[in-house]
Amino acid sequence: NAGVTQTPKFRVLKTGQSMTLLCAQDMNHEYMYWYRQDPGMGLRLIHYSVGEGTTAKGEVPDGYNVSRLKKQNFLLGLESAAPSQTSVYFCASTELQGWSDTQYFGPGTRLTVL
Amino acid sequence: EDQVTQSPEALRLQEGESSSLNCSYTVSGLRGLFWYRQDPGKGPEFLFTLYSAGEEKEKERLKATLTKKESFLHITAPKPEDSATYLCAVQARSSASKIIFGSGTRLSIRP
Repeated sequence: NAGVTQTPKFRVLKTGQSMTLLCAQDMNHEYMYWYRQDPGMGLRLIHYSVGEGTTAKGEVPDGYNVSRLKKQNFLLGLESAAPSQTSVYFCASTELQGWSDTQYFGPGTRLTVL
Repeated sequence: EDQVTQSPEALRLQEGESSSLNCSYTVSGLRGLFWYRQDPGKGPEFLFTLYSAGEEKEKERLKATLTKKESFLHITAPKPEDSATYLCAVQARSSASKIIFGSGTRLSIRP
């Protein structure tokens, strides 16, 4: 199993450009998440999905959109990138079975917006 | 509002010097409290889940404990390879799909 994978690993954008980050998991997990991590602020939830075809807003959703067309994939889009979106983005997935809520994280995407 | 606060922000220890990291939380009904380890440039790696006050879990040199207001991650006789950032997170019963993270403790172990 590859677990959770993210592409790309690094990206540099200019202000106003758009891009899509791809997260894929091969563990058949129902729940998937997108977080951003900034120095001194911990992980903050952007959007999440509780199953194929569903999405919901997290703590910091503005400026981002997501889609979960297939159970194994969760896409994060930036329509018009801003310097404030410079961050490290992590995807995670969870299979909620009873009380087992372990989150498995991908390796991250480091995004710089100039 | 659900909140997680970790202390200290950074901790430097000598190899073999035991210590504890603190995670204080406020949540409207705790479903679970999680500890993760994060190495530089990598994603968080799961360590423990604790569900109720009084619960303890161990893994090698690490032991996690839970009370109604806080959790401790005890590190016994640490080695340089234990150097990492340790993250604490909580999950509320009222919103099981959301997990709230603290900002982490950066642990450095000197040989």
